[in-house]
Amino acid sequence: AQKVTQAQTEISVVEKEDVTLDCVYETRDTTYYLFWYKQPPSGELVFLIRRNSFDEQNEISGRYSWNFQKSTSSFNFTITASQVVDSAVYFCALSEAILDDMRFGAGTRLTVKP
Amino acid sequence: NAGVTQTPKFRILKIGQSMTLQCTQDMNHNYMYWYRQDPGMGLKLIYYSVGAGITDKGEVPNGYNVSRSTTEDFPLRLELAAPSQTSVYFCASSYRDRGLQLSYEQYFGPGTRLTVT
Repeated sequence: AQKVTQAQTEISVVEKEDVTLDCVYETRDTTYYLFWYKQPPSGELVFLIRRNSFDEQNEISGRYSWNFQKSTSSFNFTITASQVVDSAVYFCALSEAILDDMRFGAGTRLTVKP
Repeated sequence: NAGVTQTPKFRILKIGQSMTLQCTQDMNHNYMYWYRQDPGMGLKLIYYSVGAGITDKGEVPNGYNVSRSTTEDFPLRLELAAPSQTSVYFCASSYRDRGLQLSYEQYFGPGTRLTVT
């Protein structure tokens, strides 16, 4: 069963636009962790953020912000004033305390045009 | 710290050949993982290990084998390579404590691009 859904396959924006990447997850566990990773065109996977299920505070890091809502099982990622360097594939992932693996979404390819 | 290192970076195999992809981490992480990423697709888990001497299958284990004799190393063996195994392979490691229900981010290696022709 799909545990992490990133419904947006591709998004294209023009530089300086704000963009939100959606992530919806499924779990029966009460303790779990959510992550976002970035994969730029160079191919490496870069960790962006980790959030546990007991902390619903939104997080802001520079132009990046994350909105975690347990009521809707969503962990969305917003880039404010996007830049060309933000062009990448972004993956959302779920780690459940009762399972050993981590489930990744299919990814959203973001293209920021100058 | 070097983090997670993988060798080789690139490899071309002929159908039926075998090879081992090497993965080493120096962060003393207990969990290690192997993923494959086909072009334009997401990550699929091949095998993982929760500690030295313990390995388990992921989503797509057929055609692969692993071993974990030390905390640091987690090699992936391809036997009888097939064109369907053409992919980019990522090794990752993380720290988890099941007893405390803690799970930290995975650190990824740079990947190995494998082509089977």
